[in-house]
Amino acid sequence: GEDVEQSLFLSVREGDSSVINCTYTDSSSTYLYWYKQEPGAGLQLLTYIFSNMDMKQDQRLTVLLNKKDKHLSLRIADTQTGDSAIYFCAETTNAGNMLTFGGGTRLMVKP
Amino acid sequence: GAVVSQHPSRVICKSGTSVKIECRSLDFQATTMFWYRQFPKQSLMLMATSNEGSKATYEQGVEKDKFLINHASLTLSTLTVTSAHPEDSSFYICSARVLIDSYEQFFGPGTRLTVL
Repeated sequence: GEDVEQSLFLSVREGDSSVINCTYTDSSSTYLYWYKQEPGAGLQLLTYIFSNMDMKQDQRLTVLLNKKDKHLSLRIADTQTGDSAIYFCAETTNAGNMLTFGGGTRLMVKP
Repeated sequence: GAVVSQHPSRVICKSGTSVKIECRSLDFQATTMFWYRQFPKQSLMLMATSNEGSKATYEQGVEKDKFLINHASLTLSTLTVTSAHPEDSSFYICSARVLIDSYEQFFGPGTRLTVL
């Protein structure tokens, strides 16, 4: 079945850029997503990218997709303490259908 | 964006009782709702997919008689954990999709279930 993997933990200093990486195995993935989960809360969709795109930028967020290597990354510019959370990447092979989530990366931002 | 609510946000119950969790789409009609379960410090695992007016499709390993899902209207899906046990304690999150070909799922805030 599909597999999505992320590193468990990332620590950065406030003001630096954060890069969270994700790899997936399903070559038929059509949509890839980044979600943010704050402590005790649900998921917030941050951004998504279609598989026919290489990059998407949305304010401080930049998503890069390397389809050949099945590698997805999320870059957060000027990281703030409020960005501390768990970030999940997810993929689906059908628009809006079941999502397969990575294990989540805990981002800690130090003042 | 679209808003999905869940009720209750937190519930504590005794072992052997049943608990119902509601998932509502507040400002849109959801053709499909999904139920996920999240164990502490772990990712989300899809439990079932629920389409309005039809039976839910359960993922492998999820007991359909234990986790009853009802999607009676386009704005409401319910998950009932029957005869709850301590191992059912978890964070349950629902999500909703507007259209069949929509690329977005909107997530509820989650319900933390603790079974004593």
